[in-house]
Amino acid sequence: EAGVAQSPRYKIIEKRQSVAFWCNPISGHATLYWYQQILGQGPKLLIQFQNNGVVDDSQLPKDRFSAERLKGVDSTLKIQPAKLEDSAVYLCASSSTLAFEQFFGPGTRLTVL
Amino acid sequence: KQEVTQIPAALSVPEGENLVLNCSFTDSAIYNLQWFRQDPGKGLTSLLLIQSSQREQTSGRLNASLDKSSGRSTLYIAASQPGDSATYLCAAYMDTGRRALTFGSGTRLQVQP
Repeated sequence: EAGVAQSPRYKIIEKRQSVAFWCNPISGHATLYWYQQILGQGPKLLIQFQNNGVVDDSQLPKDRFSAERLKGVDSTLKIQPAKLEDSAVYLCASSSTLAFEQFFGPGTRLTVL
Repeated sequence: KQEVTQIPAALSVPEGENLVLNCSFTDSAIYNLQWFRQDPGKGLTSLLLIQSSQREQTSGRLNASLDKSSGRSTLYIAASQPGDSATYLCAAYMDTGRRALTFGSGTRLQVQP
């Protein structure tokens, strides 16, 4: 069974530029999560999707971050414009409807200069 | 609001030692608790998931316990090896609907050969 795929693995941008991350969950997993992990901290949930719909986006900075899940499968997370404090690893995870266990992708490391 | 704390933040032990990593949470109404391993520059690998009806889970040299009444979980690693060197994160699931995880900041473990 293929795991959660993410791309790109690394991205370096200047502040005020825009960037997008892509995630492909495990096949059949209805729930998809985006987490932000700042160096030295645990991951923090940004947004949770159930199929196409948003379950929780209470911690998503909506003035600059946006996310969508196309046809209930792949998802894209966008930052526009980026700030220095957005430098972090962005992790995507998925889980099935029947089980709680979340499976994580390798993450995208973003550096904002 | 749930808060998850892990102590110590870093730990260095000689190879072969048995060790315990601690995780505490403020809201005892957790549903499940999950332990993860994170290697540098990598995503999260699930180690053990303890469901609310269980008190412990075992996998190989790893044993995780959960005491909801005291707000604590421990991860026991027997006969540590240099390959166990990584950051260990615990995370709590708070309710069945939302299913998102609240993470601690992790314990960085170094096992010296």
